Amino acid sequence: AQSVTQPDIHITVSEGASLELRCNYSYGATPYLFWYVQSPGQGLQLLLKYFSGDTLVQGIKGFEAEFKRSQSSFNLRKPSVHWSDAAEYFCAVGGNSGNTPLVFGKGTRLSVIA
Amino acid sequence: GAVVSQHPSWVICKSGTSVKIECRSLDFQATTMFWYRQFPKQSLMLMATSNEGSKATYEQGVEKDKFLINHASLTLSTLTVTSAHPEDSSFYICSARSHRGNEQFFGPGTRLTVL
Repeated sequence: AQSVTQPDIHITVSEGASLELRCNYSYGATPYLFWYVQSPGQGLQLLLKYFSGDTLVQGIKGFEAEFKRSQSSFNLRKPSVHWSDAAEYFCAVGGNSGNTPLVFGKGTRLSVIA
Repeated sequence: GAVVSQHPSWVICKSGTSVKIECRSLDFQATTMFWYRQFPKQSLMLMATSNEGSKATYEQGVEKDKFLINHASLTLSTLTVTSAHPEDSSFYICSARSHRGNEQFFGPGTRLTVL
Protein backbone atom coordinates (compact mmCIF):
# COMPACT_ATOMS: atom_id res chain seq x y z
CA ALA A 1 0.00 0.00 0.00
CA GLN A 2 1.18 3.48 -0.71
CA SER A 3 2.28 5.65 2.16
CA VAL A 4 4.12 8.85 2.88
CA THR A 5 6.36 9.54 5.85
CA GLN A 6 7.30 13.01 6.96
CA PRO A 7 9.66 12.33 9.86
CA ASP A 8 9.68 15.84 11.25
CA ILE A 9 6.50 16.98 12.95
CA HIS A 10 7.78 20.48 13.70
CA ILE A 11 10.81 22.41 12.47
CA THR A 12 11.96 25.85 13.54
CA VAL A 13 14.36 27.84 11.43
CA SER A 14 15.69 31.36 11.53
CA GLU A 15 14.63 33.79 8.88
CA GLY A 16 17.16 33.74 6.07
CA ALA A 17 18.40 30.24 6.89
CA SER A 18 18.08 27.33 4.53
CA LEU A 19 15.34 24.75 4.87
CA GLU A 20 14.94 21.09 4.05
CA LEU A 21 11.76 19.16 4.78
CA ARG A 22 12.00 15.43 4.46
CA CYS A 23 9.58 13.13 2.71
CA ASN A 24 9.84 9.40 2.11
CA TYR A 25 7.28 7.45 0.20
CA SER A 26 6.25 3.88 -0.46
CA TYR A 27 4.62 3.21 -3.79
CA GLY A 28 4.43 0.15 -5.99
CA ALA A 29 4.82 1.90 -9.31
CA THR A 30 6.27 5.13 -10.61
CA PRO A 31 4.97 7.72 -8.20
CA TYR A 32 3.62 11.14 -8.83
CA LEU A 33 4.85 13.33 -5.99
CA PHE A 34 3.58 16.61 -4.65
CA TRP A 35 4.30 19.18 -2.00
CA TYR A 36 1.50 21.36 -0.66
CA VAL A 37 1.51 24.19 1.83
CA GLN A 38 -1.37 25.08 4.12
CA SER A 39 -1.72 28.18 6.25
CA PRO A 40 -3.95 28.00 9.33
CA GLY A 41 -7.61 27.79 8.40
CA GLN A 42 -6.83 27.76 4.70
CA GLY A 43 -6.92 25.26 1.89
CA LEU A 44 -3.99 23.61 0.19
CA GLN A 45 -1.66 25.38 -2.17
CA LEU A 46 0.44 23.35 -4.56
CA LEU A 47 4.13 24.20 -4.28
CA LEU A 48 5.50 21.77 -6.84
CA LYS A 49 5.00 18.38 -8.40
CA TYR A 50 7.02 15.61 -9.99
CA PHE A 51 5.64 13.36 -12.68
CA SER A 52 8.69 12.41 -14.72
CA GLY A 53 11.86 13.79 -16.27
CA ASP A 54 14.29 16.02 -14.44
CA THR A 55 14.48 14.87 -10.86
CA LEU A 56 15.07 18.38 -9.54
CA VAL A 57 11.79 20.23 -9.61
CA GLN A 58 11.32 23.95 -9.22
CA GLY A 59 8.21 25.29 -7.62
CA ILE A 60 6.64 28.51 -6.52
CA LYS A 61 7.91 30.82 -3.78
CA GLY A 62 11.50 29.73 -4.34
CA PHE A 63 10.97 26.10 -3.32
CA GLU A 64 12.51 23.12 -5.02
CA ALA A 65 12.42 19.38 -4.45
CA GLU A 66 14.56 16.50 -5.59
CA PHE A 67 13.22 13.06 -6.44
CA LYS A 68 15.62 10.30 -5.44
CA ARG A 69 14.27 6.96 -6.51
CA SER A 70 17.02 4.99 -4.77
CA GLN A 71 16.11 6.58 -1.46
CA SER A 72 12.35 6.79 -2.08
CA SER A 73 12.59 10.42 -1.12
CA PHE A 74 11.25 13.72 -2.31
CA ASN A 75 12.69 16.35 0.01
CA LEU A 76 11.65 19.96 -0.18
CA ARG A 77 14.25 22.70 0.02
CA LYS A 78 14.48 26.44 0.11
CA PRO A 79 17.79 28.33 0.28
CA SER A 80 16.53 31.27 2.34
CA VAL A 81 13.38 31.12 4.42
CA HIS A 82 11.07 34.10 4.85
CA TRP A 83 8.80 34.68 7.83
CA SER A 84 5.80 34.23 5.53
CA ASP A 85 6.85 30.64 4.88
CA ALA A 86 5.64 29.62 8.34
CA ALA A 87 2.87 27.10 7.66
CA GLU A 88 2.10 23.39 7.49
CA TYR A 89 3.72 21.46 4.66
CA PHE A 90 2.34 18.22 3.27
CA CYS A 91 4.02 15.75 0.98
CA ALA A 92 1.71 13.54 -1.09
CA VAL A 93 2.04 10.62 -3.46
CA GLY A 94 -0.32 9.41 -6.14
CA GLY A 95 -0.50 7.42 -9.30
CA ASN A 96 -1.52 8.02 -12.87
CA SER A 97 -4.78 6.15 -12.64
CA GLY A 98 -7.86 8.33 -12.68
CA ASN A 99 -9.24 6.75 -9.55
CA THR A 100 -6.05 6.87 -7.54
CA PRO A 101 -6.35 9.42 -4.76
CA LEU A 102 -3.44 11.24 -3.22
CA VAL A 103 -2.05 9.88 -0.01
CA PHE A 104 -0.74 12.55 2.31
CA GLY A 105 1.98 12.54 4.90
CA LYS A 106 1.16 13.76 8.39
CA GLY A 107 2.67 17.13 7.65
CA THR A 108 5.54 19.20 8.98
CA ARG A 109 4.83 22.44 10.74
CA LEU A 110 7.39 25.12 9.96
CA SER A 111 8.02 27.95 12.38
CA VAL A 112 10.23 30.85 11.40
CA ILE A 113 11.97 32.96 14.01
CA ALA A 114 13.64 36.31 13.60
CA GLY B 1 -7.52 27.20 -15.34
CA ALA B 2 -8.23 24.13 -13.19
CA VAL B 3 -10.21 25.84 -10.48
CA VAL B 4 -12.25 23.95 -7.93
CA SER B 5 -14.73 25.73 -5.71
CA GLN B 6 -16.51 24.63 -2.57
CA HIS B 7 -19.65 26.01 -1.04
CA PRO B 8 -20.15 26.95 1.66
CA SER B 9 -16.70 27.91 2.92
CA TRP B 10 -17.91 27.53 6.48
CA VAL B 11 -21.08 26.35 8.15
CA ILE B 12 -22.34 26.09 11.71
CA CYS B 13 -25.25 23.80 12.40
CA LYS B 14 -27.11 22.23 15.28
CA SER B 15 -26.59 18.64 16.24
CA GLY B 16 -28.97 16.34 14.39
CA THR B 17 -29.32 18.46 11.28
CA SER B 18 -27.95 17.66 7.83
CA VAL B 19 -25.46 19.75 5.93
CA LYS B 20 -24.70 19.68 2.20
CA ILE B 21 -21.34 20.73 0.83
CA GLU B 22 -20.87 21.36 -2.88
CA CYS B 23 -17.70 20.86 -4.87
CA ARG B 24 -17.52 22.25 -8.39
CA SER B 25 -14.89 22.11 -11.08
CA LEU B 26 -15.25 25.48 -12.75
CA ASP B 27 -13.29 25.14 -15.96
CA PHE B 28 -12.83 21.44 -16.58
CA GLN B 29 -14.75 18.22 -16.47
CA ALA B 30 -13.97 16.09 -13.46
CA THR B 31 -14.57 12.43 -14.03
CA THR B 32 -13.34 11.67 -10.53
CA MET B 33 -13.71 13.65 -7.35
CA PHE B 34 -12.30 12.89 -3.95
CA TRP B 35 -13.49 13.96 -0.51
CA TYR B 36 -11.03 14.40 2.31
CA ARG B 37 -11.49 15.29 5.97
CA GLN B 38 -8.94 17.10 8.06
CA PHE B 39 -9.15 17.37 11.84
CA PRO B 40 -7.28 20.18 13.60
CA LYS B 41 -3.54 19.84 13.41
CA GLN B 42 -3.82 16.62 11.45
CA SER B 43 -3.32 15.56 7.88
CA LEU B 44 -5.91 14.99 5.19
CA MET B 45 -7.65 11.65 5.32
CA LEU B 46 -9.45 10.33 2.28
CA MET B 47 -13.13 9.68 2.91
CA ALA B 48 -14.37 8.59 -0.48
CA THR B 49 -13.83 8.55 -4.21
CA SER B 50 -16.68 9.42 -6.51
CA ASN B 51 -17.01 8.93 -10.23
CA GLU B 52 -19.61 10.71 -12.27
CA GLY B 53 -22.78 8.68 -12.57
CA SER B 54 -21.80 5.88 -10.23
CA LYS B 55 -21.79 5.16 -6.53
CA ALA B 56 -18.99 6.49 -4.44
CA THR B 57 -16.32 4.23 -3.01
CA TYR B 58 -15.84 4.82 0.69
CA GLU B 59 -12.70 4.26 2.70
CA GLN B 60 -12.73 1.83 5.54
CA GLY B 61 -14.32 3.31 8.62
CA VAL B 62 -16.30 5.98 6.79
CA GLU B 63 -20.05 5.51 7.17
CA LYS B 64 -21.64 5.73 3.74
CA ASP B 65 -25.09 6.30 5.21
CA LYS B 66 -23.84 9.22 7.20
CA PHE B 67 -21.71 10.85 4.52
CA LEU B 68 -23.80 10.80 1.36
CA ILE B 69 -21.89 11.58 -1.80
CA ASN B 70 -23.51 12.38 -5.10
CA HIS B 71 -21.57 13.02 -8.32
CA ALA B 72 -24.41 13.73 -10.69
CA SER B 73 -22.50 15.68 -13.29
CA LEU B 74 -18.96 16.12 -14.54
CA THR B 75 -18.62 19.41 -12.70
CA LEU B 76 -20.44 18.85 -9.42
CA SER B 77 -20.12 16.53 -6.47
CA THR B 78 -21.93 16.97 -3.19
CA LEU B 79 -21.21 15.65 0.29
CA THR B 80 -24.11 15.57 2.71
CA VAL B 81 -23.36 15.03 6.37
CA THR B 82 -26.55 13.55 7.73
CA SER B 83 -27.62 13.89 11.35
CA ALA B 84 -24.45 15.78 12.14
CA HIS B 85 -22.89 15.51 15.58
CA PRO B 86 -20.13 17.54 17.22
CA GLU B 87 -17.56 14.85 16.39
CA ASP B 88 -18.27 15.52 12.69
CA SER B 89 -16.88 19.02 13.08
CA SER B 90 -13.94 19.16 10.74
CA PHE B 91 -12.45 20.73 7.64
CA TYR B 92 -13.78 19.02 4.53
CA ILE B 93 -11.78 19.34 1.33
CA CYS B 94 -12.67 18.07 -2.11
CA SER B 95 -10.43 17.53 -5.07
CA ALA B 96 -11.22 16.96 -8.71
CA ARG B 97 -9.33 15.14 -11.40
CA SER B 98 -9.75 15.68 -15.10
CA HIS B 99 -9.98 12.69 -17.37
CA ARG B 100 -7.08 14.22 -19.30
CA GLY B 101 -4.66 14.96 -16.56
CA ASN B 102 -2.68 13.34 -13.83
CA GLU B 103 -3.15 16.04 -11.26
CA GLN B 104 -5.81 16.63 -8.68
CA PHE B 105 -7.03 20.14 -8.05
CA PHE B 106 -8.17 20.98 -4.57
CA GLY B 107 -11.03 23.11 -3.41
CA PRO B 108 -10.50 25.70 -0.68
CA GLY B 109 -12.24 23.57 1.93
CA THR B 110 -15.38 23.84 4.05
CA ARG B 111 -15.18 24.33 7.80
CA LEU B 112 -18.06 22.50 9.50
CA THR B 113 -18.86 23.19 13.13
CA VAL B 114 -21.63 21.18 14.76
CA LEU B 115 -22.95 22.59 18.01
